[in-house]
Amino acid sequence: NSKVIQTPRYLVKGQGQKAKMRCIPEKGHPVVFWYQQNKNNEFKFLINFQNQEVLQQIDMTEKRFSAECPSNSPCSLEIQSSEAGDSALYLCASRDRGTGQLYFGEGSKLTVL
Amino acid sequence: QQKVQQSPESLIVPEGGMASLNCTSSDRNVDYFWWYRQHSGKSPKMLMSIFSNGEKEEGRFTVHLNKASLHTSLHIRDSQPSDSALYLCAASIYNQGKLIFGQGTKLSIKP
Repeated sequence: NSKVIQTPRYLVKGQGQKAKMRCIPEKGHPVVFWYQQNKNNEFKFLINFQNQEVLQQIDMTEKRFSAECPSNSPCSLEIQSSEAGDSALYLCASRDRGTGQLYFGEGSKLTVL
Repeated sequence: QQKVQQSPESLIVPEGGMASLNCTSSDRNVDYFWWYRQHSGKSPKMLMSIFSNGEKEEGRFTVHLNKASLHTSLHIRDSQPSDSALYLCAASIYNQGKLIFGQGTKLSIKP
């Protein structure tokens, strides 16, 4: 069973509000990913970190999205000003150093009204 | 733009039957293909991975890879109702950290 812990499981925000999600990666996994899965099940890569450093991120992330993975604290993904199109399941995953396999958390389901 | 295409979009298979799912990448730098299964309301769980040409079998699941055509397929024999789920194919690109996911195949097993 995956030990990637995501909180909260559900959050409901109004348009323009901030939305913040947290992730504790599996112990010993140095690389953390954030993906967005929309209602059509499409996966969109948002950002990934190795330890505390950003490896890659998409343009969308640079504008309203911010993320960090501080040492000794949960990783977080924050949407500064939520839009209706941000409604989705946000999945955090950490990567096994040896196998390269991604282990996913249960996700944070964001609904923007 | 890196793309992973899956087909079919949805599939209905009778219980006990064979389910065959397909996945193709447009990026020649793929080094691994991954198959994940996601039950409704749950997170994706890795089923199998493959990086070399040929076939790999684990229980009722078999994965094929043709590196020349960048095509992989997943076959589930003796399908069970518990196999009903969204099946996601992902490609990892050499020297890049991220996995690119396809749009998934929704598999339904009819009792």
